[in-house]
Amino acid sequence: ETGVTQSPTHLIKTRGQQVTLRCSSQSGHNTVSWYQQALGQGPQFIFQYYREEENGRGNFPPRFSGLQFPNYSSELNVNALELDDSALYLCASSLDGGGNEQFFGPGTRLTVL
Amino acid sequence: GQSLEQPSEVTAVEGAIVQINCTYQTSGFYGLSWYQQHDGGAPTFLSYNALDGLEETGRFSSFLSRSDSYGYLLLQELQMKDSASYFCAVRYNFNKFYFGSGTKLNVKP
Repeated sequence: ETGVTQSPTHLIKTRGQQVTLRCSSQSGHNTVSWYQQALGQGPQFIFQYYREEENGRGNFPPRFSGLQFPNYSSELNVNALELDDSALYLCASSLDGGGNEQFFGPGTRLTVL
Repeated sequence: GQSLEQPSEVTAVEGAIVQINCTYQTSGFYGLSWYQQHDGGAPTFLSYNALDGLEETGRFSSFLSRSDSYGYLLLQELQMKDSASYFCAVRYNFNKFYFGSGTKLNVKP
């Protein structure tokens, strides 16, 4: 059984740029959720994708968008990067929408200069 | 909006029992989860409670009281490897999640 993987591990961008982060869900999981975790804080829910549709969204602006592909892997896109977007971005996979038990990937550390 | 309160830091000795409390305010409540996160690592799932009562998984137990909007995580026979941050998280409106700021547990020999 393959766990959740994310790429890249680290990324440095400048303010105003755009970034795409990638996530492969655990084998058999059809639901992916994305989180932003600032240093010393808990993960903040960005949105969830279930069977290629956005299934739920937290309090993040529209410049945070995503995709889910037929193999259930997912992308997080962030446009017009701001300094406050610097954080660890985590994806988590689960079964059949919702997500009582979520399996997290190792995260992508994004630094915005 | 959603809110969660949990202690920022707890210290206990190896072999002891520790309880981490979590109180929440949310609409559309579905359940309460607990996750463990070691420094530099990813959160790992510990437990989920949708109904009132105690759920036990090995050394860890989790409790929920929906009427009191309160839950706790109980860790028994503490080991050094239990030193980590522990997050409670509410699941609400079926497919949304809100995490607390975390409790840093320090286990001392």
